[in-house]
Amino acid sequence: GAVVSQHPSRVICKSGTSVKIECRSLDFQATTMFWYRQFPKQSLMLMATSNEGSKATYEQGVEKDKFLINHASLTLSTLTVTSAHPEDSSFYICSARDAGFTQETQYFGPGTRLLVL
Amino acid sequence: SQQGEEDPQALSIQEGENATMNCSYKTSINNLQWYRQNSGRGLVHLILIRSNEREKHSGRLRVTLDTSKKSSSLLITASRAADTASYFCLEGGGSEKLVFGKGMKLTVNP
Repeated sequence: GAVVSQHPSRVICKSGTSVKIECRSLDFQATTMFWYRQFPKQSLMLMATSNEGSKATYEQGVEKDKFLINHASLTLSTLTVTSAHPEDSSFYICSARDAGFTQETQYFGPGTRLLVL
Repeated sequence: SQQGEEDPQALSIQEGENATMNCSYKTSINNLQWYRQNSGRGLVHLILIRSNEREKHSGRLRVTLDTSKKSSSLLITASRAADTASYFCLEGGGSEKLVFGKGMKLTVNP
C-alpha cells in the first residue's frame, strides 16, 4: 500500500523556537495533503489542506502565520510551527491522497509528537 | 466538511469475541472509510465501502452500509488483543476535506 512518512517522529523544543515537520509520500504523488492535530484522548482535528503549488487552506481558528505550510512538490509538504509555545504541544499527523487514483483513500503518516517546554 | 460519528464511544471485550461498532453520518456520501489508530500512532486505513455497496469483507473485518439510514457498521470477528485501538469512520469521496468523529476505543482483553 501507499506509504506516507513524517519526520521527525518526536521533537522537544524550547518555547519561542520554530519547528518544521516534514510529510512525504514515498511511492506516490500527492497533489493534496492534509495536516491534523490531535490532543490526548481526543479526535484528529483538521488544521489545513495543503495543495501542491498553491497556498494552503486553513480551518477556522487555525492561525496561518503560526502554522506555515509549504507544499513545494508532489511528494513533500512541510508544516512549520513558528514561535512554539507549550499549548502547541500535540500530536501532528499528515495525510495524503494518491493523485494517480480516484483520491478516495487518504494515507496517513505515523505522526509527530511535539513537546514545547 | 463531513463527519462520521461512532457508537459506542468505548467497548471492552474478551479476546475471541466479536466487536461491532456503528457509525452514523449526515450527508450523502460517495464512500465510507474505516480507520484504526493505535495509541499515539498514525492512522491505518482498514476498509472502504462505496455508496452502491451494502457489505464488504476483508479478513476478519466486515463492513455494512445502509444509505437509507445513513449508517455503517464495522464488525471485527474473533478479536485479538492486537485489535485494541481507536476506530474512526470517515465519509469520503471527491476532493472534499475529511473530518474525523470522536472515534471508538476498543479494548480487547487477553
